[in-house]
Amino acid sequence: DVKVTQSSRYLVKRTGEKVFLECVQDMDHENMFWYRQDPGLGLRLIYFSYDVKMKEKGDIPEGYSVSREKKERFSLILESASTNQTSMYLCASSFGLVGNQPQHFGDGTRLSIL
Amino acid sequence: AQSVTQPDIHITVSEGASLELRCNYSYGATPYLFWYVQSPGQGLQLLLKYFSGDTLVQGIKGFEAEFKRSQSSFNLRKPSVHWSDAAEYFCAVGGAGKSTFGDGTTLTVKP
Repeated sequence: DVKVTQSSRYLVKRTGEKVFLECVQDMDHENMFWYRQDPGLGLRLIYFSYDVKMKEKGDIPEGYSVSREKKERFSLILESASTNQTSMYLCASSFGLVGNQPQHFGDGTRLSIL
Repeated sequence: AQSVTQPDIHITVSEGASLELRCNYSYGATPYLFWYVQSPGQGLQLLLKYFSGDTLVQGIKGFEAEFKRSQSSFNLRKPSVHWSDAAEYFCAVGGAGKSTFGDGTTLTVKP
């Protein structure tokens, strides 16, 4: 069974801090994704990566960056956290061509920015 | 451009009653279609997927979905709902290097 592990379930940070959210998958998937989920807004794609060191902007990349130095790990970085980045963050992975295979999700990180 | 519409934000059904969650998509070619379920505090779990072939697909937990090309729909059904089915359900369409999720339908199950 595919396992996608997000490093923290809950995280509290202060405005202006640099925040790192980590995600690891154990199934050698090419593709990895970061979403944020807010009530009434569904899932919004922040960034995705289809290979090591490759990244593509999603629908809402502003204020975020990502890093993928190893195939199994995909990090989301909030360069200078702001209160409007308080949200649930979900990581996912998939194999093959993006969109043609289901995504496997982690349990999420609920991030609060104070 | 591809898009997904889940017309019902919230649905309430009684335990033991049948369920249908609606999903309409927009996509130029034959789509890859998915239904996911999210229990509170957890990530999304795949219920079922449609790639091609038989338009009625079976999934986990007793769910099924029917692909209707003429209606651009992929509705999720279950003949008898259990209290443990209370969750949020997401329809998604994929293809051409992209995945798009609907905004979700929250299911409440009455005893």
